[in-house]
Amino acid sequence: GAGVSQSPRYKVAKRGQDVALRCDPISGHVSLFWYQQALGQGPEFLTYFQNEAQLDKSGLPSDRFFAERPEGSVSTLKIQRTQQEDSAVYLCASSLGDRPWEAFFGQGTRLTVV
Amino acid sequence: GNSVTQMEGPVTLSEEAFLTINCTYTATGYPSLFWYVQYPGEGLQLLLKATKADDKGSNKGFEATYRKETTSFHLEKGSVQVSDSAVYFCALSIYNTDKLIFGTGTRLQVFP
Repeated sequence: GAGVSQSPRYKVAKRGQDVALRCDPISGHVSLFWYQQALGQGPEFLTYFQNEAQLDKSGLPSDRFFAERPEGSVSTLKIQRTQQEDSAVYLCASSLGDRPWEAFFGQGTRLTVV
Repeated sequence: GNSVTQMEGPVTLSEEAFLTINCTYTATGYPSLFWYVQYPGEGLQLLLKATKADDKGSNKGFEATYRKETTSFHLEKGSVQVSDSAVYFCALSIYNTDKLIFGTGTRLQVFP
């Protein structure tokens, strides 16, 4: 497809389980962003990649969160030992340039930790 | 710190009514301001932007003016349609940073 694709769309995890969320950016897009959107809140920045380099991970809430983009294309957000407060929609966005407002957003992955 | 405050919803209007959704911000540095829209089942989309004071962003009949003196960026539309029903997010980005800072969102419901 032509847009940013995220999978799975929905994920239910038991507390303590590890999860991996995938983002397929638009082909050729250099920049990739991850955001976390809790219920009833706006998206909050997690991390930013330029190609394969993770240039900013200041928004990752704890060391249980890890993101990678090894070949500068597909990115994976991994959450270890999930907790209930991790329940949220995780949004991925990609852009040709480095301006965050030029990024196209995917539909997100809704993670529910039970 | 940098933050965005927007009015709580839902905002419920009849078709062709006038819309205002308030947004104010606090920022260090020189922010650019944005409105995003999230239609049901779709990803966030940039609706309009303004990069400096007194700029007016506009798109699809929506407008917002960057008011530095009141630190505001209110969204307006003269005549809403049912198809405008969505969640609207005000956001800012500080020059030379890599992130958007969003408000909590305002749900707009337009009835025929």
